[in-house]
Amino acid sequence: AQRVTQPEKLLSVFKGAPVELKCNYSYSGSPELFWYVQYSRQRLQLLLRHISRESIKGFTADLNKGETSFHLKKPFAQEEDSAMYYCALKNYGQNFVFGPGTRLSVLP
Amino acid sequence: NAGVTQTPKFQVLKTGQSMTLQCAQDMNHEYMSWYRQDPGMGLRLIHYSVGAGITDQGEVPNGYNVSRSTTEDFPLRLLSAAPSQTSVYFCASTSQGLTEAFFGQGTRLTVV
Repeated sequence: AQRVTQPEKLLSVFKGAPVELKCNYSYSGSPELFWYVQYSRQRLQLLLRHISRESIKGFTADLNKGETSFHLKKPFAQEEDSAMYYCALKNYGQNFVFGPGTRLSVLP
Repeated sequence: NAGVTQTPKFQVLKTGQSMTLQCAQDMNHEYMSWYRQDPGMGLRLIHYSVGAGITDQGEVPNGYNVSRSTTEDFPLRLLSAAPSQTSVYFCASTSQGLTEAFFGQGTRLTVV
């Protein structure tokens, strides 16, 4: 069955420190993976997708098929990065399977 | 650009009451879906629709009904609300040619 896991419910780092939000998945076939972010009292919005190999707001994520991981990284965290982060896998059709989410708190 | 609009933003229901959560999108997306967001569980798919007149069940459909009479609207009905349906509900839309989904702002529902 398709599944996404995010082992950390809460991750606290100091401003300027590196941050890594972990995501692992199980999927048969070629996965399409995404990171969505939800800032306080706002809607979910796409942060980045693996097929684009892009860097958004300083965040990057690399798909590692051998380890079935799609960890989100940023070298220097900023206070405005504090939010809820969801790793998601595109399932059948246009549906998504979401992980439980990791709340990132960047401390001053 | 309105995008995906959900109403209401907040709602309190008594057990057994019924209500409809509204979702509308103005992007001409054929695909719409409803998720519920619960702490520690992420977002779980309730129902989805691949076009007007076509709906199907997701992971957690029990207690919810949907219909899709137009491309723009995808209402979610709670027939007899239960405390277990206390959650934040998100509507999303996308299109076959897109890789991302667009989400509404959510409806926070409390059933007492």
